Amino acid sequence: KQEVTQIPAALSVPEGENLVLNCSFTDSAIYNLQWFRQDPGKGLTSLLLIQSSQREQTSGRLNASLDKSSGRSTLYIAASQPGDSATYLCAVRRMDSSYKLIFGSGTRLLVRP
Amino acid sequence: GAGVSQSPSNKVTEKGKDVELRCDPISGHTALYWYRQSLGQGLEFLIYFQGNSAPDKSGLPSDRFSAERTGGSVSTLTIQRTQQEDSAVYLCASSLVGTEEAFFGQGTRLTVV
Repeated sequence: KQEVTQIPAALSVPEGENLVLNCSFTDSAIYNLQWFRQDPGKGLTSLLLIQSSQREQTSGRLNASLDKSSGRSTLYIAASQPGDSATYLCAVRRMDSSYKLIFGSGTRLLVRP
Repeated sequence: GAGVSQSPSNKVTEKGKDVELRCDPISGHTALYWYRQSLGQGLEFLIYFQGNSAPDKSGLPSDRFSAERTGGSVSTLTIQRTQQEDSAVYLCASSLVGTEEAFFGQGTRLTVV
């Protein structure tokens, strides 16, 4: 059974810091991994999608890496801003049911001005 | 439309009543998913539709829950005889087969009183 864990559960940093959010999964046979952002009371916004054959993806100040063999992904946020405050979720799709997203419980990020 | 559209955004209903939640996916996306997010909990898979294939209903929590997708586009999630434990945010997502990048709507917040 695939399980997804996100550490830390919550993080508070001053504006301008670079930070890393962690995601680990128990079964390395994944189809892809997707990082999302969720603002309070809102839906999920897709940030980055990494296919199983890829090692990383970048979008602006965000960089996500994937190490399937160790069952880990990291989301790196450079030069954090108060507007980055949100909950960040990672989700994996298994190879044998590639449509079903299995979510971690999220990291709640607060960037202090 | 530009994104996944869900309606209503909020719904308050009395215990025992039936409710219908609507999802309008991104045009051209053949895959459609429903997830549930309960307070303080992670996202729970409910059901998946892909084209004309039989849906994967393995995540529906009870036979009070049902969903349909008409014409391969709009989907309706129906909850019969609502209970207080059904209170949650119901999220819909769609994706293109191949990339499997899921795009979520803003959700419907259901409150059963």
